Amino acid sequence: NAGVMQNPRHLVRRRGQEARLRCSPMKGHSHVYWYRQLPEEGLKFMVYLQKENIIDESGMPKERFSAEFPKEGPSILRIQQVVRGDSAAYFCASSPPNSNEQFFGPGTRLTVL
Amino acid sequence: AQTVTQSQPEMSVQEAETVTLSCTYDTSESDYYLFWYKQPPSRQMILVIRQEAYKQQNATENRFSVNFQKAAKSFSLKISDSQLGDAAMYFCAYRRALMDSNYQLIWGAGTKLIIKP
Repeated sequence: NAGVMQNPRHLVRRRGQEARLRCSPMKGHSHVYWYRQLPEEGLKFMVYLQKENIIDESGMPKERFSAEFPKEGPSILRIQQVVRGDSAAYFCASSPPNSNEQFFGPGTRLTVL
Repeated sequence: AQTVTQSQPEMSVQEAETVTLSCTYDTSESDYYLFWYKQPPSRQMILVIRQEAYKQQNATENRFSVNFQKAAKSFSLKISDSQLGDAAMYFCAYRRALMDSNYQLIWGAGTKLIIKP
C-alpha cells in the first residue's frame, strides 16, 4: 500500500501566477487534510475534505485559496495570484473514516519569486 | 480553543544519552489524543508516538516514551539511548476525540533536536 503521494515536491512560481498542489491519499482513505508550514514554525491546519465535500475550511484564507477532492483523482489545493507570503511547505495527510491517525505525504515546497 | 506549546526551540544531547522534550497544551475537553511527530531534514512528517487521554498508562515505542500528566496538561517525550538518526525537528500535536467534523491536528512550534557524536 503506497503512502500518501504529493506532487510536485518543489514548485516555483512568480508573483501573480497560479499554483496547483496535488495529493493522492492512501488506498482506502476517504479523508484528506491540508496543512501549511511556514519556515521555523509548526503546521497550521487549512482545510479538511472528504470525497466531493469540504468539511472544514476554517484555516484557509478566504481569498485566492481553494481546495477540492473529487470523486475520482487526487485532492487539489489551488492558490491563485500567488504572493511571496505564500512561500511555504504544504502538507497533505489522509486517514480512513473514524481514525485518530493521519498519514502524511512528503509535502510540496512552494517558492514564490 | 485548544493550543499546544513547546517551550524549547532547540535541545542538544550527547549520543547514547537520554533527552526529554517538553510539551504543554490547553483544552477544556476531557478526551483527546496527543502525538509526537518527527520531521527530519527530508521534511517527511513521521509519527513517533501517540497517547489517548483516557489511558493513564504512558505510551512507549522502543526508545521513545512519554510522560503524560493530564492534570498538568503536560506531554513530554523521552528519547533514550539517543542516536544520530534521531536528529530532527520534533512536533507535539493535539486532536479532539469527539467524533464530529473537526479532526484537525493542532501543532506546537517544534523543538530542534541536535545529537552530538
